Amino acid sequence: EDQVTQSPEALRLQEGESSSLNCSYTVSGLRGLFWYRQDPGKGPEFLFTLYSAGEEKEKERLKATLTKKESFLHITAPKPEDSATYLCAVQAGDSWGKLQFGAGTQVVVTP
Amino acid sequence: GAGVSQSPSNKVTEKGKDVELRCDPISGHTALYWYRQSLGQGLEFLIYFQGNSAPDKSGLPSDRFSAERTGGSVSTLTIQRTQQEDSAVYLCASSLVGLGNEQFFGPGTRLTVL
Repeated sequence: EDQVTQSPEALRLQEGESSSLNCSYTVSGLRGLFWYRQDPGKGPEFLFTLYSAGEEKEKERLKATLTKKESFLHITAPKPEDSATYLCAVQAGDSWGKLQFGAGTQVVVTP
Repeated sequence: GAGVSQSPSNKVTEKGKDVELRCDPISGHTALYWYRQSLGQGLEFLIYFQGNSAPDKSGLPSDRFSAERTGGSVSTLTIQRTQQEDSAVYLCASSLVGLGNEQFFGPGTRLTVL
């Protein structure tokens, strides 16, 4: 059975304090791994798609990496506006494209 | 262009009533997905449309839930005889095609069943 586990559940950072979020997965034939950001009361906002082990993508202070078993979202020198819940999701190759989500990591960045 | 839109943004209903939730996908997106997000459950897949057909309905929790899509665009999720456990945020997403492409989400409809 496909499974996505995110850790930690919650993370409190000081502004400028870099950290990493983990997403470990088991899926039959990974087609893509997706990272989303969700603010309270809003729908998830797309950040990155990773397709194969070794791939990396960057956007501003965020960098996502992928191995065969897990993905990391690195937040470098975070700012308070980076506070959000970060969701990881996988798409299996034998699916019709549905995303299976982890429970998310709630990140709070304090000034 | 415009993103995915959903209506209503909030819906409060009484147990046993039927509700309809609407999703307008991004223009040109042929794939449309419905998900549900409830406290303690995370985001769960409900149904997938490619064009007007639904090849994957595996996430619908019971036969009280149904969905349709018309003209390859607007989709409606209907919940009949609502129960309190149906209370959740219902999210719609669309993408260019199903597999391999990022899905763009709407703001969701918060459903509360009293």
